[in-house]
Amino acid sequence: AQSVTQLGSHVSVSEGALVLLRCNYSSSVPPYLFWYVQYPNQGLQLLLKYTSAATLVKGINGFEAEFKKSETSFHLTKPSAHMSDAAEYFCAVSENLAGNRDDKIIFGKGTRLHILP
Amino acid sequence: KAGVTQTPRYLIKTRGQQVTLSCSPISGHRSVSWYQQTPGQGLQFLFEYFSETQRNKGNFPGRFSGRQFSNSRSEMNVSTLELGDSALYLCASSPTAATNEKLFFGSGTQLSVL
Repeated sequence: AQSVTQLGSHVSVSEGALVLLRCNYSSSVPPYLFWYVQYPNQGLQLLLKYTSAATLVKGINGFEAEFKKSETSFHLTKPSAHMSDAAEYFCAVSENLAGNRDDKIIFGKGTRLHILP
Repeated sequence: KAGVTQTPRYLIKTRGQQVTLSCSPISGHRSVSWYQQTPGQGLQFLFEYFSETQRNKGNFPGRFSGRQFSNSRSEMNVSTLELGDSALYLCASSPTAATNEKLFFGSGTQLSVL
C-alpha cells in the first residue's frame, strides 16, 4: 500500500526566500504524485501533479516539484516566497494500478508554511 | 460551473447523536470521495463512491457510512457520535474514478461534538 511522509509540520521562510517543502512517498508500483494547497477556511486546490511524464513538474503560482525515483521524493519548491503563499500544503500519492478497485489517493499530514516579512 | 458544495458549513452535536453531511459534486462528476481532516493528522480517507457504488473504503469504524444518489450527490452519516469525531469533513469530486485525476474539493463541514 502507498504512503506519504511530509517532513516538518511547520516551515517558516522570509518573504523573497526559497520555499522548500519536503515529501517522501512509498509505493510498490509507479506512483501518481500531487501537491495541494489549503488556504484558511477553504477546501484544497491542486498545485501540480506528476503522472509519469516529465520529472520536473510546473504548477500554479510559481511552484514546481521534481520527481526523484531514486530518493522516492517529490519536494515542492518556489524560488521566491510571497506573503500570499502562507497556507497549508499537502502532498498526496496514488498508485497506477490500471483501474484496480483498491487504488485511492492518500494524503500526507500537511506542512503549514509561514512567511516572515 | 458551480464548484463542490457541502452543507451545512458548521454543525454542533452532542455525544451519542447522529449526523448527516451532504455533498453536491461539480456537474458531470461521477466520483465523490470523503476525507476527515484533523490538526496534526492531515486528511484521512473515509470512502469513495462512483456511480452510486462504494468503490473504496478507509479504516474507519462502521459508525461512518455513506451513499451516493443517481444525480451523484453524496451523503455521509456518522452514528453514535464520539468526541473524537470532531473534525473538518471534506468532500471531493472528479469526473472519473481514475486516481490520476485532479480532485475538486468543497470547503468542508466543520463538525464539533460536545
